[in-house]
Amino acid sequence: GQQLNQSPQSMFIQEGEDVSMNCTSSSIFNTWLWYKQDPGEGPVLLIALYKAGELTSNGRLTAQFGITRKDSFLNISASIPSDVGIYFCAGRGGATNKLIFGTGTLLAVQP
Amino acid sequence: ETGVTQTPRHLVMGMTNKKSLKCEQHLGHNAMYWYKQSAKKPLELMFVYSLEERVENNSVPSRFSPECPNSSHLFLHLHTLQPEDSALYLCASSHGTGGGQPQHFGDGTRLSIL
Repeated sequence: GQQLNQSPQSMFIQEGEDVSMNCTSSSIFNTWLWYKQDPGEGPVLLIALYKAGELTSNGRLTAQFGITRKDSFLNISASIPSDVGIYFCAGRGGATNKLIFGTGTLLAVQP
Repeated sequence: ETGVTQTPRHLVMGMTNKKSLKCEQHLGHNAMYWYKQSAKKPLELMFVYSLEERVENNSVPSRFSPECPNSSHLFLHLHTLQPEDSALYLCASSHGTGGGQPQHFGDGTRLSIL
């Protein structure tokens, strides 16, 4: 079946550093979504991407829909302690056109 | 405030109990979902409802029984659960089930089976 590989699994960084994470799929996707989940809460949508090559920003967050349509990237600039949480990618496409989720990237930011 | 409210937030139950999880969305969406979130695993889609009709059931055991009385409310009825059913159960909603409509999640019910 379809799989989403999200990396890295976890990151431990200093406040002020930039962060990059990515997701790759085995199928071509037509939608990529990035969510953040804080402890004890549900995932919150950060950025939605709908076109190959699309680059979208939300404050210090920037996400890109890869040209191959099989990957997506999320960058966080100048990280702050409240960026701590688990970041999930989700994509839709392939034979089933179902929305599937990555396993998440745990981000820890040390002040 | 996410627009999707789940109750209770925490639930502890024995394997012989019967309980229900409730989800309510205030976003005017017409599709609702139940997901199971376990540690170190991707979100697992359980059920999808579109316009109050169940359109997807991903091989979920019959001890989980969904109910969607209207487009704003979704329930998950639980009975004779197993310890491996302990997880965070998330409800989500969206405008339709196809295309690129993103799903909006509630904060989940943390379920523990004794």
